[in-house]
Amino acid sequence: EVQLVESGGDLVQSGGSLRLSCAASGFTFSSYAMSWVRQAPGKGLEWVSDVSGSGDNTYYTDSVKGRFTISRDNSKSTLYLQMNSLRGEDTAVYYCAKDVRYLDLWGRGTLVTVSS
Amino acid sequence: QSALTQPRSVSGSPGQSVTISCAGISSDVGSYNFVSWFQQHPGKAPKLLIYDVTKRPSGVPDRFSGSKSGNTASLTISGLQAEDEADYYCYSYAGRSGMFGGGTKLTVL
Repeated sequence: EVQLVESGGDLVQSGGSLRLSCAASGFTFSSYAMSWVRQAPGKGLEWVSDVSGSGDNTYYTDSVKGRFTISRDNSKSTLYLQMNSLRGEDTAVYYCAKDVRYLDLWGRGTLVTVSS
Repeated sequence: QSALTQPRSVSGSPGQSVTISCAGISSDVGSYNFVSWFQQHPGKAPKLLIYDVTKRPSGVPDRFSGSKSGNTASLTISGLQAEDEADYYCYSYAGRSGMFGGGTKLTVL
């Protein structure tokens, strides 16, 4: 079955760190760039970051540059998002999505709550 | 990185057609044909409806159609059905970053 499954969301204090994972199955993971998208409670979707299929190229939205790091392990078909120096405004459901142009497959999301 | 501009809400009666606009700028929507539309029901993950401005993934009904004129993309839903009530988001990928519209809540009266 073609699917993405996120994990790693949790309640964390402001200034803390968290690593999210996204396990892919049913497609050739290394052939596709991958994205992270988040949605704050009651708010719209926000593109966060993406990484090329090889992992060599990464891009970030301005608000997370220097704090978040996207990476992937193609041998494990897994995408990661290392989040450091977390802030209240990072509270959101984090989705991983296949590709960067189409976002044609999404996981169910994992909730990150940052408390002050 | 400013968001694309969508109306906050639209509404229509069953069987009618509605159009949701997505206004960008020349360096995103205007320059690329990488505009997608997503449908999101409450508590669910977004679902791809339209990609590359006008293309539909398999399984998406042809009641959903996309278009673009200049810096504005549009999603038209014809033959409205009750299950179309949801939030809709446009998305444009400009080469080094993605950008979503603020979202439009569709109410089926």
